Order: sequence, then structure tokens, then C-alpha cells
Amino acid sequence: DSGVTQTPKHLITATGQRVTLRCSPRSGDLSVYWYQQSLDQGLQFLIQYYNGEERAKGNILERFSAQQFPDLHSELNLSSLELGDSALYFCASSGGQRGSYEQYFGPGTRLTVT
Amino acid sequence: AQKVTQAQTEISVVEKEDVTLDCVYETRDTTYYLFWYKQPPSGELVFLIRRNSFDEQNEISGRYSWNFQKSTSSFNFTITASQVVDSAVYFCALSEADSGAGSYQLTFGKGTKLSVIP
Repeated sequence: DSGVTQTPKHLITATGQRVTLRCSPRSGDLSVYWYQQSLDQGLQFLIQYYNGEERAKGNILERFSAQQFPDLHSELNLSSLELGDSALYFCASSGGQRGSYEQYFGPGTRLTVT
Repeated sequence: AQKVTQAQTEISVVEKEDVTLDCVYETRDTTYYLFWYKQPPSGELVFLIRRNSFDEQNEISGRYSWNFQKSTSSFNFTITASQVVDSAVYFCALSEADSGAGSYQLTFGKGTKLSVIP
């Protein structure tokens, strides 16, 4: 158990809909990273938050957004969903800006868009 | 731009054989971090090891060992006396020291699927 929690575990929704994925980092970790794992693109970095502020953006679509709340949990919002958004979405946490560099991953949320 | 290449897509070995998973990386940074993660069939990503670019010491942890060679930009992973429970997809990943404003985002290879046959 990495200590990172993600909900829900599975999500099935229709094209055009909007969903929210939730992540709680390990106790004491300030950074949350979001990654997408798909068959064609592999594991890709989407976005990072550190202590409530956005720190880095990767290959994140404009239809996707995220935020980190004062209690450090994070949410990834996916809107106007398309079939191609079906993937496994991971969040990971790490020990802060200059802290430990290992990222510990949650169990993932499997999103299926039909 | 950083890049990680895992040329072996799939490997099958018989239980108790040794197996080496290859990883080659590209980066312009002089300070960076290399990682291996394991993804078993259940789907979670499990952290295995981190190496710093300034520390080329090889490491052994039980049946696992890692060979980091800066000269060839490689960070290979060997499992000795493989077991069925080692069956998983293994990912090599790279993080540059500061991808920007305190970010250590990971760039992953495509992964190597290891099947250990009893």
C-alpha cells in the first residue's frame, strides 16, 4: 500500500460527459502529480501541483483541469469526454519541492468512455 | 528533451532463470534521477528504486540488482532466480533535476512485459 488513495476505482460514462477523479496524497507529501496510461500513448505526465499551486503541465488537454485543495487532496476534472479519453489515470505524491524524489502512485482510476 | 527507451517489449523466462531488463535514456541535464517501477497484473505502479545521476554505484536488493552506466546512458535491471510473482510490466523512468519550478515529473519508457513461466 503506497499510502496514496484514489477514487473511484472504476468509472464508466458516455461521450460528452464530465467526470471528477479524486486523489489523496501520502501523509506529509506536498506534491501531487497526475498521469494518464493508455495503450497507444503509454504513461504520460499530465499536471503537477505543489502545496496548492500548479507547478508543471505536461500533455494535458484543454478539456482537462485539476486543482489541489488546502488539505492537499487533488481533483482531476475531465470534460467533454471522448472515446479516446478512456485510460487509467494515476495520481502520485512525493515529498515536496526539494524533498524526496520518489513518486508513490495510487491504485489508479480506470475510466471507460462509451 | 528527455527520452527513455525500453527496447524489449516482452520477455518470457522459465522460473529460476536470471533476466535483465534494458533501459536507455536521453537527457541534456547533468543532474537527473532514474527510476524503476513495477506494474503487476492488478494494475498499481510500485516504486522499486531511484538512482541519482551523480551516484554510479550499482545496487543489489535481494534478488534485484541495478547497473547504472552513465557512459552508455543505461540503467539496466536484473532479476536473479526469477519467480512467477515477478511477472509484471516494468517501467524505467527519468526525472530531470528541475524540469521547471520544482517539478520532478517522470518520463516513462514504454515498459517491458515480463512473463515468468513455472
